[in-house]
Amino acid sequence: EPEVTQTPSHQVTQMGQEVILRCVPISNHLYFYWYRQILGQKVEFLVSFYNNEISEKSEIFDDQFSVERPDGSNFTLKIRSTKLEDSAMYFCASSEAQGATYEQYFGPGTRLTVT
Amino acid sequence: GQSLEQPSEVTAVEGAIVQINCTYQTSGFYGLSWYQQHDGGAPTFLSYNALDGLEETGRFSSFLSRSDSYGYLLLQELQMKDSASYFCAVRDSGNTGKLIFGQGTTLQVKP
Repeated sequence: EPEVTQTPSHQVTQMGQEVILRCVPISNHLYFYWYRQILGQKVEFLVSFYNNEISEKSEIFDDQFSVERPDGSNFTLKIRSTKLEDSAMYFCASSEAQGATYEQYFGPGTRLTVT
Repeated sequence: GQSLEQPSEVTAVEGAIVQINCTYQTSGFYGLSWYQQHDGGAPTFLSYNALDGLEETGRFSSFLSRSDSYGYLLLQELQMKDSASYFCAVRDSGNTGKLIFGQGTTLQVKP
C-alpha cells in the first residue's frame, strides 16, 4: 500500500540553526500539507501546498518557515532559525485531491528537538 | 475562534462499546473526520462525515449532526489494540482541505 514517508525520523538541532524536514508524498497525490504536534497537544495545521504554491498557511507559519517541492517526489519544510518552541513532531500529509471526501494520508513524522 | 471539544480520557473494557463525542465551532465546515494515533505515531484516518447521519465501517461508526455542531465516534467490540488517542478534525476549507484538530481523547482499553 502506498504511504507517505518522512526523513529524518528524529532531528536534534541547536537554537538558531536551519533545519530541513523532508517528505515523499504518495505518488499520485496533488495536495500536500505540513502539520505539527507539540508533545501532548493537538495536531496543528501549518501549511497546504498545491500546484507549486502555498494555498493556505496558519499563523504559526511565519517568515521563518518555507516549503518547497524541489522535484517531482519530495516536499520539504525549512525552518530558517529554529527556536526552542519549534520542538515538536512534524507530520507531512498528502491527498489525492482537495475535495472534502478525500482522505489525508499522514507520514510517520519527524521529531524535531531544538536545544 | 475555532474550537473542537472532546473528552480528554475514556476508559473501557475489552468487548465493550465506547462513544467519543466531539462538538465544534469553526468558521467553515466541510466535514468531520476522525483519526486514530498510537503513541505519537502517524494519525490514521478512520472515518469522515459530510452529511448528517451515521457512517459505519466495521467496528467503528461515526455520526454527525450539523445543526448541533456535534459528532461522535462509536467503537464496538473493543480490543486492546484500540488503546490510542482519537482526534476529531473539521475540514474548514473547501479550497485547501485544511484540517482543524481537537485536543484528542485518550482511550484506554482494559482486560
